[in-house]
Amino acid sequence: QVQLQESGPGLVKPSETLSLSCAVSGDSISSGGFYWHWIRQHPGKGLEWIGFIYHTGNTYYYNPSLQSRVSMSVDTSKNQFSLRLNSVSAADTAVYYCARAVTSLGWFAPWGQGTLVTVSS
Amino acid sequence: DIVMTQSPDSLAVSLGERATIYCKSSQSVLSSSNNKNYLAWYQQKPGQPPRLLIYWASTRESGVPDRFSGSGSGTDFTLTISSLQAEDVAVYYCQQYSHTPATFGQGTRVEIK
Repeated sequence: QVQLQESGPGLVKPSETLSLSCAVSGDSISSGGFYWHWIRQHPGKGLEWIGFIYHTGNTYYYNPSLQSRVSMSVDTSKNQFSLRLNSVSAADTAVYYCARAVTSLGWFAPWGQGTLVTVSS
Repeated sequence: DIVMTQSPDSLAVSLGERATIYCKSSQSVLSSSNNKNYLAWYQQKPGQPPRLLIYWASTRESGVPDRFSGSGSGTDFTLTISSLQAEDVAVYYCQQYSHTPATFGQGTRVEIK
């Protein structure tokens, strides 16, 4: 069964760039048929969808609330996809999840375990 | 953005009793082209990621116990746990995938009375 695992720095300084990767096992990203998403959860709060990317790398969509600061990419050779969020502030402190969906806008399953990113100097 | 509002924010139910969670969307998530409601439900336990329970408002995900059921259409939806078990203690979220961006409800915490 497919599994996702996020990785990246747990601490990022304000104004710098948050970079996370999501390694996929049990499925090949390049086989197509799925869309790869990022979602975040602020501490003790609800869920915010960040965006998705398709395995080709040239099909993606970002939440308009974040699109000026977000970019995503795919590395099919490593079977992983990545998130970059520029100019971070304390408001970007959250648990970041990667997840799979069958469509560009759909339900999410499965999810990675999540990784907490704290923005602080 | 479509705003998803859940009620109540929390509820306490006795073991074996029914738990009912409501989710209301600010716009209809019913598609006229396929007559499907673009709504999902998730369960999140402490320290874990959300787990998909239901999609298309009422289709149970594989492996989800049949005590979980979803219903509703248009803007008003319900998640029902027919007989609450101890392992059902969690926060439950609804999510619409009808319009971008996908949005979630604020969550409903279910506890044992």
